[in-house]
Amino acid sequence: DQQVKQNSPSLSVQEGRISILNCDYTNSMFDYFLWYKKYPAEGPTFLISISSIKDKNEDGRFTVFLNKSAKHLSLHIVPSQPGDSAVYFCAASAQGGSEKLVFGKGTKLTVNP
Amino acid sequence: GAGVSQSPSNKVTEKGKDVELRCDPISGHTALYWYRQRLGQGLEFLIYFQGNSAPDKSGLPSDRFSAERTGESVSTLTIQRTQQEDSAVYLCASSPLGSGYGYTFGSGTRLTVV
Repeated sequence: DQQVKQNSPSLSVQEGRISILNCDYTNSMFDYFLWYKKYPAEGPTFLISISSIKDKNEDGRFTVFLNKSAKHLSLHIVPSQPGDSAVYFCAASAQGGSEKLVFGKGTKLTVNP
Repeated sequence: GAGVSQSPSNKVTEKGKDVELRCDPISGHTALYWYRQRLGQGLEFLIYFQGNSAPDKSGLPSDRFSAERTGESVSTLTIQRTQQEDSAVYLCASSPLGSGYGYTFGSGTRLTVV
């Protein structure tokens, strides 16, 4: 039973354009959501998060949107840069983040120069 | 140390052998997590330590898997009688006070069972 789903295994965009990565979840107890970025041979690194009391959180080029009624979140990267090429994992947690993180399978983003 | 350190970075073992994976968390981080990522899959939770106790070990796939932690320091994940399906990248993360949002991951140990 996959509680966090990233249905697109890969995404390719041109440099300067917007990248939109999507994530769906099934567990209504999740109230804290995070995006991690992973380069090959490295561990995932935290990118941005959002609490369920918000519907948007922005940090520079990165914005996460949360639609609780649809149990859907998305990560927008504008403008996309070649250095953004990586695997992006969506993760969710219950109890305000004090529970363990549940991860999706990841989406491999390629930003073409 | 400055980050989470895992050793070895790569391990090739024969089926049926035991392996031990090590994680050095960030100093002062009370929570420590083990995850694994099999090829084409997401990060799969294995076990969580708060200090040296393990309040959640629900992700350990079988009794061949065990883990321990010394105080709020080093953790070892042991896999006995390894099987080919154990091949994966084993990732360790630590965080302060068990906060889910404060994870810092190590680079992982790539285990290959042949």
